[in-house]
Amino acid sequence: DGGITQSPKYLFRKEGQNVTLSCEQNLNHDAMYWYRQDPGQGLRLIYYSQIVNDFQKGDIAEGYSVSREKKESFPLTVTSAQKNPTAFYLCASTQTGGGNYGYTFGSGTRLTVV
Amino acid sequence: GQQVMQIPQYQHVQEGEDFTTYCNSSTTLSNIQWYKQRPGGHPVFLIQLVKSGEVKKQKRLTFQFGEAKKNSSLHITATQTTDVGTYFCAGRQTGANNLFFGTGTRLTVIP
Repeated sequence: DGGITQSPKYLFRKEGQNVTLSCEQNLNHDAMYWYRQDPGQGLRLIYYSQIVNDFQKGDIAEGYSVSREKKESFPLTVTSAQKNPTAFYLCASTQTGGGNYGYTFGSGTRLTVV
Repeated sequence: GQQVMQIPQYQHVQEGEDFTTYCNSSTTLSNIQWYKQRPGGHPVFLIQLVKSGEVKKQKRLTFQFGEAKKNSSLHITATQTTDVGTYFCAGRQTGANNLFFGTGTRLTVIP
């Protein structure tokens, strides 16, 4: 079955550590996205990529980094520079960029700073 | 910048009552999408509207796109407990590369 897989489901980070969240899709989608969701809030765009080896900052990119070396994979690194990283992180993909197709979301990673 | 607001933020209804959430954009949208996120889950794509004044139905759900393409609504007839969740609209500003998600409406259905 085609889909988008995020791992791990839960992640605990100590202050000052970098952590990397995995996102893999086998839908052959060109565009991939990372969103952050805080409790009771909407989705805020962190980074997006419309093609391999290219990505752009979203609305809240500070303290995060990404790479897109393969079409299937779009990992997100939460760096120690991110002041308040505790949140629910959602990865999404879509056929092509531009918002003309529905997004498929992964099941998310809940990151907690301890 | 583009903003998409949804009202109400929360809605509690008795099972069997109707429910409507409204989405308003500060700018004209080329299209609008609706998503449902169950408690503890992830957003799931429901539908996309593209044309001015467009109306689409999915069983008990009716989606509308305003004539000016700056607002949209989702109406659920005779709610059921399975309708519980947060409903998000997401719009794309003309010429933009991405969707901008609304703030969401959290629906609780009381049995």
